[in-house]
Amino acid sequence: DMKVTQMPRYLIKRMGENVLLECGQDMSHETMYWYRQDPGLGLQLIYISYDVDSNSEGDIPKGYRVSRKKREHFSLILDSAKTNQTSVYFCASSSGQNTLYFGAGTRLSVL
Amino acid sequence: QQKVQQSPESLSVPEGGMASFNCTSSDRNFQYFWWYRQHSGEGPKALMSIFSDGDKKEGRFTAHLNKASLHVSLHIRDSQPSDSALYFCAARVLSRNMGYKLTFGTGTSLLVDP
Repeated sequence: DMKVTQMPRYLIKRMGENVLLECGQDMSHETMYWYRQDPGLGLQLIYISYDVDSNSEGDIPKGYRVSRKKREHFSLILDSAKTNQTSVYFCASSSGQNTLYFGAGTRLSVL
Repeated sequence: QQKVQQSPESLSVPEGGMASFNCTSSDRNFQYFWWYRQHSGEGPKALMSIFSDGDKKEGRFTAHLNKASLHVSLHIRDSQPSDSALYFCAARVLSRNMGYKLTFGTGTSLLVDP
């Protein structure tokens, strides 16, 4: 069905709490991504995963970690969330260097 | 420094008019370009890609690439209210060894007035 699904869509957390954002895709794409989107900054790459347990830092990895134990599932973890991590987070997948397919995003507020 | 720069920041055109977006890269490693569109409350969706110098036309959308100047543009003719969205230019490096990282510009907000 060519879909990237993100859960949850909205999340409110307190500073210092742990956050888990989840992403799934049904296209058997080997490459998956986590981006965050902030006004005036566009989309910034946090992490990229080339396949199971093959993850690389993007441009802004500090404060984040990822987990990919199955090809169709990619998680973003914030250990002890900070207020400056309030943002909209997008997961995406692609087959190699081809077009990225994005999920609908998770709007995270850290209070 | 933003490696992919877009202009203008925002744009307003009348329904049926032409909307034009510009994108310039400051990194000569970027050789593959995409245009993505994001409607409010949704994730970005790919509009079209362009890898070769010259024009590429898909329906009402035309992209133009000049690799020598690292400049890519997107033109929408006969703009419709449903085209109102945020438009991103994105660029990818030439070499597989440099990974599949796609770098996005900051976006241009388009409003089509009915």
